[in-house]
Parts: sequence; structure tokens; C-alpha cells
Amino acid sequence: QKEVEQNSGPLSVPEGAIASLNCTYSDRVSQSFFWYRQYSGKSPELIMSIYSNGDKEDGRFTAQLNKASQYVSLLIRDSQPSDSATYLCAADNNNDMRFGAGTRLTVKP
Amino acid sequence: DTGVSQDPRHKITKRGQNVTFRCDPISEHNRLYWYRQTLGQGPEFLTYFQNEAQLEKSRLLSDRFSAERPKGSFSTLEIQRTEQGDSAMYLCASSSDGLQPQHFGDGTRLSIL
Repeated sequence: QKEVEQNSGPLSVPEGAIASLNCTYSDRVSQSFFWYRQYSGKSPELIMSIYSNGDKEDGRFTAQLNKASQYVSLLIRDSQPSDSATYLCAADNNNDMRFGAGTRLTVKP
Repeated sequence: DTGVSQDPRHKITKRGQNVTFRCDPISEHNRLYWYRQTLGQGPEFLTYFQNEAQLEKSRLLSDRFSAERPKGSFSTLEIQRTEQGDSAMYLCASSSDGLQPQHFGDGTRLSIL
């Protein structure tokens, strides 16, 4: 079992729709969780960080964390074609950060 | 530019050669991380430094790999006797402390002929 699991996709949504990305993690000592966006051939770019249970909103992005279920999600509202990228979920236990393989999102105009 | 800087951006070398990459973190960041990423996968943790101390090394980091951060500022990652399987993007990231967001450099893409 991988330490951080994501549906590899591809996930395709129409422009303006809500994109929902999901992630589970196995290391219960993980304390910080991050979503990164990675365009093809580029390095990961931080989108959201979340540290406590519940929702955290930042513009069109909402991160959700449920430590009991070991589940993290990212919602992208009003999806734009420029949101098309691979989204990486990461869990940090203060010693190292483990990444999922990423979910490829395509937003169709 | 005050982001994480990596050099070179691309490296092509023959199998068996040694290569060295450099990373300059964000200046006020204490932690520096090295990752390896192959196509279709997320970044795989290799090692990290807290200031000049190397605190954690992945099992992925064979004895052909060595990393240093001599003065707690820039870091180097050396791969000796490169193999085909070493072809990947090598990413460096830095953060102000543990559990804080990591900021990535543009990476060094290594191709082994």
C-alpha cells in the first residue's frame, strides 16, 4: 500500500464546474497536508496547506481534512482551462513529506 | 528572484559518469529537501537537511548518492557511477521549518545515455 494514494485520473470537467480531487494517507502521525499543482515539465507549485480537521477555503480552492478517516480532498470551484494540470497530494510527518502519484485534471472549454 | 534555484536545469551524461547538482534554497529557510521524480509519479523523498545537518535519508538513496549542505546554505547532490535508472527530474525544496510548506525549485533533469 502506498503511503499517499490518489486516483490517477484523468479527471475531466467542463469549464465552470466543480472539480473534486481526493487523497488518502496511511501514516497516522502525519500532521500537515498540502496540495500542489504541477504543469507538465514544471516543478510542483503550492496551492493549499491544511493542518486541522475541517475545511479551509482560499479563493476558488477548498481543502478538506478528516484525520479520523485519513482523508484529504481539494475542491476547485468555477474550474478554468488554466487549472488543467496534475494535482499532487502530500502528507508531512515532520521528517519527510510523502507525495501521491497525482491526479491529472483536464478542464474543457 | 528569491525562490529556490537549481543548477543545471538539464544534464546529459554517459552511464558510469559522476554528476553533481546544486540547490540554493530560499535564504531564510532552514530546511532543504531533495526529491526524485519520474514520469507519472509524484516526487520521491531522498533526503533533507536542517541547517547543515542531514537528518533523514530514504532507502532510495543508495551509496552512490551523497548530499551535502556544508554551511547550511546551498546544497549539492552527487551521483557516482550513474546508471540508466538514475534518469529522472531531481527536485530541491526548502521550508522554514518542519511541517511548513515546501517551495520547489525548477529541478534538474538528468538523462543517462
